[in-house]
Amino acid sequence: AQSVTQLGSHVSVSEGALVLLRCNYSSSVPPYLFWYVQYPNQGLQLLLKYTTGATLVKGINGFEAEFKKSETSFHLTKPSAHMSDAAEYFCAVSVAGAGSYQLTFGKGTKLSVIP
Amino acid sequence: ETGVTQSPTHLIKTRGQQVTLRCSSQSGHNTVSWYQQALGQGPQFIFQYYREEENGRGNFPPRFSGLQFPNYSSELNVNALELDDSALYLCASSPGLAGALAKNIQYFGAGTRLSVL
Repeated sequence: AQSVTQLGSHVSVSEGALVLLRCNYSSSVPPYLFWYVQYPNQGLQLLLKYTTGATLVKGINGFEAEFKKSETSFHLTKPSAHMSDAAEYFCAVSVAGAGSYQLTFGKGTKLSVIP
Repeated sequence: ETGVTQSPTHLIKTRGQQVTLRCSSQSGHNTVSWYQQALGQGPQFIFQYYREEENGRGNFPPRFSGLQFPNYSSELNVNALELDDSALYLCASSPGLAGALAKNIQYFGAGTRLSVL
């Protein structure tokens, strides 16, 4: 079975500062990894995904994440935070099993951006 | 291209009642998954439908059931509602199920917020 741990349920950064949201996963097979963002009262929007190939993945809105197999991590970063980045961020792992595939999510990290 | 739409957006029920939530998948998508997101938690997988058949299920009791229709839209039914069923229910669609499709992106709707009193 796979699992995801997001360190820090709440992260606060100043506008213009580096954003770092941590995600560690557990999977017995090569995982596919995703970061989703959720704005208040909205569904989930995909930021980026890692499937195979290049381990540094670039997403929308200036976010990127690096897959580190040795550390079982997939941390999300953005060089300079913007007020519009305030939202909840979810890391997820997907594996295929028994003919289906499902996303297993972490508990989320709420990002606050201080002006 | 029409995205994933869910209805209703909000719903209030009382304990013991039954509820049906609806989801229209994105055009061209034949796989629908349902997730439950309790307050302050990440979404949890309920089940997945592919071509009108249940194709995988998470750790939810049988009173959670679903349907997928020939146009790939889907329903989630919950019987004998309990207070703990209060949550945001998310529907996600994806374009197919074959091979290494775990990497397929799942596109989410805005959800239905269910309150059980």
